[in-house]
This record gives sequence, structure tokens and C-alpha cells, in this order.
Amino acid sequence: GQQVMQIPQYQHVQEGEDFTTYCNSSTTLSNIQWYKQRPGGHPVFLIQLVKSGEVKKQKRLTFQFGEAKKNSSLHITATQTTDVGTYFCAGGSIIFGKGTRLHILP
Amino acid sequence: ETGVTQSPTHLIKTRGQQVTLRCSSQSGHNTVSWYQQALGQGPQFIFQYYREEENGRGNFPPRFSGLQFPNYSSELNVNALELDDSALYLCASSLGLAGGHTDTQYFGPGTRLTVL
Repeated sequence: GQQVMQIPQYQHVQEGEDFTTYCNSSTTLSNIQWYKQRPGGHPVFLIQLVKSGEVKKQKRLTFQFGEAKKNSSLHITATQTTDVGTYFCAGGSIIFGKGTRLHILP
Repeated sequence: ETGVTQSPTHLIKTRGQQVTLRCSSQSGHNTVSWYQQALGQGPQFIFQYYREEENGRGNFPPRFSGLQFPNYSSELNVNALELDDSALYLCASSLGLAGGHTDTQYFGPGTRLTVL
């Protein structure tokens, strides 16, 4: 079945450093959504990308959708302790990657 | 808060039993999707209901079934529970389908199911 691969699985960064997680699909995606899940919590919607090559920004977060609509990335600039959690991409809205768990070192 | 509620919060069952999990969507949301999330994994799509009809199904056996009601509530039923069914079960409501894909999903807090 359709799968979405997400890397890395874990990322430890010093507070203030940047962070990027990548999402890849073998098939063209109609859209991609990004979610954040805090420890013990549930996924919270961050953004949706639909157009080829689309780039969207939310404060320190930058989301990109590849030209071929097969890959996407989430980049966080100058991480803060509030960024801790697991970031998931969801291809076609319902096919979730395994997530990237972000740890912030003070 | 997302306005999506789930009950119960936690549940312990034994192998072979049956379980019903409940979800109350945001008012006006005619689409609900159910996911299974094992520890340390991403949510896995079980199925989706749109206006009370099943609208898509993931790679789950028929012993996973569901219902959606006109009052924006829904159920996930699992028969003949197996140990591997232990997981967090999440429902997510959305306004519907836009451009062929499910719109923004608002997740409930989940039901933690343990099968002994």
C-alpha cells in the first residue's frame, strides 16, 4: 500500500539551533498535511500544502512541498523548548509517516 | 481544544472480547476518520465515514467496524480482540473533502486500549 517515509526518526538539538524533518513518498500526493504531537497528547494540525513547489511559513516554521509532489519538509528556525514533540507528515491527509521526535537540549 | 471528544479515556480488555469506542465530532463536521497509533509510531488509518457512509478503509481486518450517526457522533467497534490491538485509538473530524483529499483534521484526545 501507499507509504510515506519520514526522516530522521529522532533529532536532538541545542536550544536555538535549527531543525528539519523530511517526508518522502514513492507516489504523487494530492496534498500533504503536517501535525505536531506533544508527549501524551494528540496530533494537532499545523498546515496543509496542496500546490507543487508550495512554500508556507508560520513564524519560525517553514513548510515546503516538492515540485513533483512526492516530498515535503518542515524546517524550524532557532528552536525553543516549546517546539518539543513529534512532527508527523500525512500524505493525502490520511497516510501518516512514523514521525520525527524532536528533543531540545537546554 | 479541538472540540472533539472521545470516550472512554482508558480501557482494559482481555483477548477475544469486543470493544466499542466513541467519538463526538465538532458540530458541522460531516467527516470522521479513525486511526490506530501504536507506541512510538504514527497514526495508522483505519477507516473514514462521510455523511454516515464508509468512505475509505485502511489495511485493517473486518473485525474493525464503525458507525457514524447524524448527530456528529461515531463509533469504532473491534471484535475478537488480539494483544496487538493494544494502542491509542484516535478519531479526527473534518469539514469534509476538498479537492479530493480530507480537509484539516481535528483530533480527539484518544482512547488508550490495553488488551491482556
